[in-house]
Amino acid sequence: KQEVTQIPAALSVPEGENLVLNCSFTDSAIYNLQWFRQDPGKGLTSLLLIQSSQREQTSGRLNASLDKSSGRSTLYIAASQPGDSATYLCAVRPHGYNKLIFGAGTRLAVHP
Amino acid sequence: EPEVTQTPSHQVTQMGQEVILRCVPISNHLYFYWYRQILGQKVEFLVSFYNNEISEKSEIFDDQFSVERPDGSNFTLKIRSTKLEDSAMYFCASRYRELRNEQFFGPGTRLTVL
Repeated sequence: KQEVTQIPAALSVPEGENLVLNCSFTDSAIYNLQWFRQDPGKGLTSLLLIQSSQREQTSGRLNASLDKSSGRSTLYIAASQPGDSATYLCAVRPHGYNKLIFGAGTRLAVHP
Repeated sequence: EPEVTQTPSHQVTQMGQEVILRCVPISNHLYFYWYRQILGQKVEFLVSFYNNEISEKSEIFDDQFSVERPDGSNFTLKIRSTKLEDSAMYFCASRYRELRNEQFFGPGTRLTVL
């Protein structure tokens, strides 16, 4: 059964720091991995999608990497800003399924 | 930019009542989903819908739940007899087709069962 784990559960950093959020999954048979941002009480905003054949994807200050064989992905946020404060969720789509399986998220606070 | 919309944003109901949560997926998308997030817990998959039928469902999606695409734009989730434990944020999502796998989520409906 696929399990997705995110470390750390919470992170507080000063503005300007570069930071790394970690996601691990137990079964490497996946179609893709998707990173989302969730603001309190709000919906999920898709940040990046990495197909299983890809190693990384970049969007602005965000860079996500995927090492499928070891069951790991990282989300790198460069030059963090207070507006980056949110919960970041990682989700995998297992091979042969339509659904996404989510991790519990990393709650990020960037203070001025 | 096209987006998934959901109504209502918040629904309060009494235990045992039926509720219908509504979603308008992105217009050219072919796959539709419902997920839920109980407060403080992970987002969890409920059901996926393609070509006018359920393609996959979780153990949570029992006989109390049903989905429908009543017309070309709406996608609904019905809970027949709500329980206290159905209180959660319900998210609708949609996806274009196989080659574009990204799922796009709506803002959610917060369901409170009293």
